[in-house]
Amino acid sequence: AQSVSQHNHHVILSEAASLELGCNYSYGGTVNLFWYVQYPGQHLQLLLKYFSGDPLVKGIKGFEAEFIKSKFSFNLRKPSVQWSDTAEYFCAVNARSVNDMRFGAGTRLTVKP
Amino acid sequence: GAVVSQHPSRVICKSGTSVKIECRSLDFQATTMFWYRQFPKQSLMLMATSNEGSKATYEQGVEKDKFLINHASLTLSTLTVTSAHPEDSSFYICSARTRRGRTDTQYFGPGTRLTVL
Repeated sequence: AQSVSQHNHHVILSEAASLELGCNYSYGGTVNLFWYVQYPGQHLQLLLKYFSGDPLVKGIKGFEAEFIKSKFSFNLRKPSVQWSDTAEYFCAVNARSVNDMRFGAGTRLTVKP
Repeated sequence: GAVVSQHPSRVICKSGTSVKIECRSLDFQATTMFWYRQFPKQSLMLMATSNEGSKATYEQGVEKDKFLINHASLTLSTLTVTSAHPEDSSFYICSARTRRGRTDTQYFGPGTRLTVL
C-alpha cells in the first residue's frame, strides 16, 4: 500500500539556520510529489511539487526539494529559515495510477526569533 | 490561483443531528473532489474520493452511510455527517483537482471545523 513517512515530528530552529525535512514514500510506480505548508490557523498551501524533469524543484518562499528516486525520498530544504516559516509541513504523494493523494504525518517547524 | 471554498467554516451541533458541509471550486471545474479529515496535531486522512455524477469511493474504515458525499456538479461537492456524535468532531477539508495543460493540480479548501456536543 502507498504510504508516506516524515521522520521529524517537531523541529525547532533558530532564525537563519538551515532546514531539511525528510520525506520518504513507499510506492513502486510513477509518482507525483508535493510539499504543503499549513500556517497556524490557516489552510493548506502548496509549497512546491514534482511531476517530472529536473529532480531539484524550487518552490515559493525560498523552499526547494530534491527527488531522489533510488531512495524514494523527497526532502524539503531551505538554506535560512525565518520566524515566519513557523508552520506545519506536510509531504504528499500521488501515485499516478491511483486517484488520490496520501499525506505524511506532518512536521511541526518552530523557528525561534 | 484557483480557489476552493467551504461552507460553513465552523459548525457546532448537538449529538444526533446531521450536518452538511459544502465544497465549491470557484473558478475552475473539478474533475475529482476529495474529502479529508484532520484530527488535532495529526495529518490529513483521506476519507473519500468523488467524481461528478458517480458514487464516491470511500477509504477503508470510513462509514459511507455516516459520511454521505454528493458530487452534484463539476464545481460542488457536499459532505453530510449523519447522526453526528462527539467523536465526529474534527476538521474536515475538501480538495478539488483539475487538469491544467498536461498536469493535474489539487487545490484545498480552508476547512470546516465541526464540533459535536
